Amino acid sequence: EAQVTQNPRYLITVTGKKLTVTCSQNMNHEYMSWYRQDPGLGLRQIYYSMNVEVTDKGDVPEGYKVSRKEKRNFPLILESPSPNQTSLYFCASSGTGSSLSYEQYFGPGTRLTVT
Amino acid sequence: AQSVTQPDIHITVSEGASLELRCNYSYGATPYLFWYVQSPGQGLQLLLKYFSGDTLVQGIKGFEAEFKRSQSSFNLRKPSVHWSDAAEYFCAVGPTGKLTFGTGTRLQVTL
Repeated sequence: EAQVTQNPRYLITVTGKKLTVTCSQNMNHEYMSWYRQDPGLGLRQIYYSMNVEVTDKGDVPEGYKVSRKEKRNFPLILESPSPNQTSLYFCASSGTGSSLSYEQYFGPGTRLTVT
Repeated sequence: AQSVTQPDIHITVSEGASLELRCNYSYGATPYLFWYVQSPGQGLQLLLKYFSGDTLVQGIKGFEAEFKRSQSSFNLRKPSVHWSDAAEYFCAVGPTGKLTFGTGTRLQVTL
């Protein structure tokens, strides 16, 4: 089954304690992205990756890091989490084509609370 | 820069009534447009997408959307709403991998 998986699904942590949210896709997609969703703000892109070792900032990259060492995995790293990073996080992947129009497939989300 | 505006934060309709959710976009080239739905506590599900061609696109669950270039709009419609359609709806624009989402419209359905 084609899918995007994220772990953990729920996480409560404390300010300053480094954490990683994993994301994996089994569709051999080139593009992968991270979004955060906050009430009233919709989804905002944090980082995206066009392929292995190629990443770029989205609209709200501050406080986050990513890496893309394998095509299927795209972990999101919070080196020193702060309460304003409490949010619902989604990973997404999509393929490429001449039209660059392939839809994005979303993971189930990770609800992060930073106290 | 690309952007999406969903002017209605919250809409309430009666079951069986028709529905139209508004979406206006700003994009420098031919837009790729999407509508996603998010049920409470769930992830995002793609309802429909527009890339080119016929400006009226059909999606899942009886939804359709019409692309109007002159109005920079991509409004979502459904002729008869069901109680199970209560959810939050997001319009998005952009090429693959770099979508910009609107802030969403929450749909409430009364019986």
